[in-house]
Amino acid sequence: DIQMTQTPSSLSASVGDRVTITCRASQGIRNDLGWYQQKPGKAPKRLIYSASNLQGGVPSRFSASGSGTEFTLTISSLQPEDFATYYCLQHNSYSYTFGQGTKVQIK
Amino acid sequence: EVQLVESGGGLVQPGGSLRLSCAASGFTFSSYWMSWLRQAPGKGLEWVANIKEDGSDKNYVDCVKGRFTISRDNANKSLNLQMNSLRAEDTAVYYCARGSTVGEWGQGTLVTVSS
Repeated sequence: DIQMTQTPSSLSASVGDRVTITCRASQGIRNDLGWYQQKPGKAPKRLIYSASNLQGGVPSRFSASGSGTEFTLTISSLQPEDFATYYCLQHNSYSYTFGQGTKVQIK
Repeated sequence: EVQLVESGGGLVQPGGSLRLSCAASGFTFSSYWMSWLRQAPGKGLEWVANIKEDGSDKNYVDCVKGRFTISRDNANKSLNLQMNSLRAEDTAVYYCARGSTVGEWGQGTLVTVSS
């Protein structure tokens, strides 16, 4: 199975900060990766599909890049509504796997 | 608007069975792969299973193989998950989601396995 290593597991940041989250795949997954945001008690919401494509309606401060084994999600200027947990998901293999999650907290 | 509404969750004893359903609307259900995913209390997300548009291909995470069965009814736009031999570690909120790339999600239904 493909393992997804997501770092950091948590971070503290201030409104306006630039934030970067990384996912590393144990083997190449082309661009078969999505990024999700989850707020407490809510279902996850996809932000990015195919590694770098912004989902409709998602603010442009979110961006992502990567291919193969290294992927990043960047929030260019953190807003109060962005404090949440973020996950990557690979869907390259027959068995999908998530990263462990990154909790973005207020500093 | 895509809508996915899960139902069927509840409290079940270890070793018991439960059948989850997901009612889909707002899109052509028969044209999409569909998935079940879950999240144990306080834990991360886990993909559980998926099924091809016509039901001819199904995949499962290793820890549920032989116990869970995913199915679909395209005429009634519903996705199902039959869960047998349930264990405490199956306790989670279960979500259905649309597409082979797992786009839109439902709101989830809670399954609690406990005596």
